[in-house]
Amino acid sequence: GENVEQHPSTLSVQEGDSAVIKCTYSDSASNYFPWYKQELGKGPQLIIDIRSNVGEKKDQRIAVTLNKTAKHFSLHITETQPEDSAVYFCAASGGNSGYALNFGKGTSLLVTP
Amino acid sequence: NAGVTQTPKFQVLKTGQSMTLQCAQDMNHEYMSWYRQDPGMGLRLIHYSVGAGITDQGEVPNGYNVSRSTTEDFPLRLLSAAPSQTSVYFCASSYSGHGNYGYTFGSGTRLTVV
Repeated sequence: GENVEQHPSTLSVQEGDSAVIKCTYSDSASNYFPWYKQELGKGPQLIIDIRSNVGEKKDQRIAVTLNKTAKHFSLHITETQPEDSAVYFCAASGGNSGYALNFGKGTSLLVTP
Repeated sequence: NAGVTQTPKFQVLKTGQSMTLQCAQDMNHEYMSWYRQDPGMGLRLIHYSVGAGITDQGEVPNGYNVSRSTTEDFPLRLLSAAPSQTSVYFCASSYSGHGNYGYTFGSGTRLTVV
């Protein structure tokens, strides 16, 4: 099945700096790559997603890039703020696993003032 | 519009007991799934359903049962609880159609088996 690896597991940045989280996937047929943010005590919330026919997508301070050849995708957060502190998960689906999302193990992001 | 509702929020079970975790969505989503979240393990798929009457196993299905009699509800049953099932359980739904779409997650059920 699909294997999604996510790095780093923890990330600490100063307020205003950029943060980058990287993921790789194993199933070349996967075609949908969402990112989720999970705050303490809450369920994951979709923040941005990208499909395999697009190389980059932006939404205000967040962006996602996809390299299908290398089978990796990344989340970029610019001008980080303390409220960006959370656990971020990448995921992949659409390959042999169908609609099921296969998640990375998460990145705990801490933004210090 | 409540989204995905999970009950209960917290539960303590004794080893060997059975229980049902409830999940309901009001978005007319076809696709529903259950994940468990353990420290350092991310989110692992237990069971999923692509529509009423259709269910299938995910990555870690042992010890769990599901059914999908209506579009709205997707309960998860623990047949005989074990300490290894101590976890946070999330239900998620998605409008699947013929493509992949983002999931909407519930707020989770924190289960402790003693």
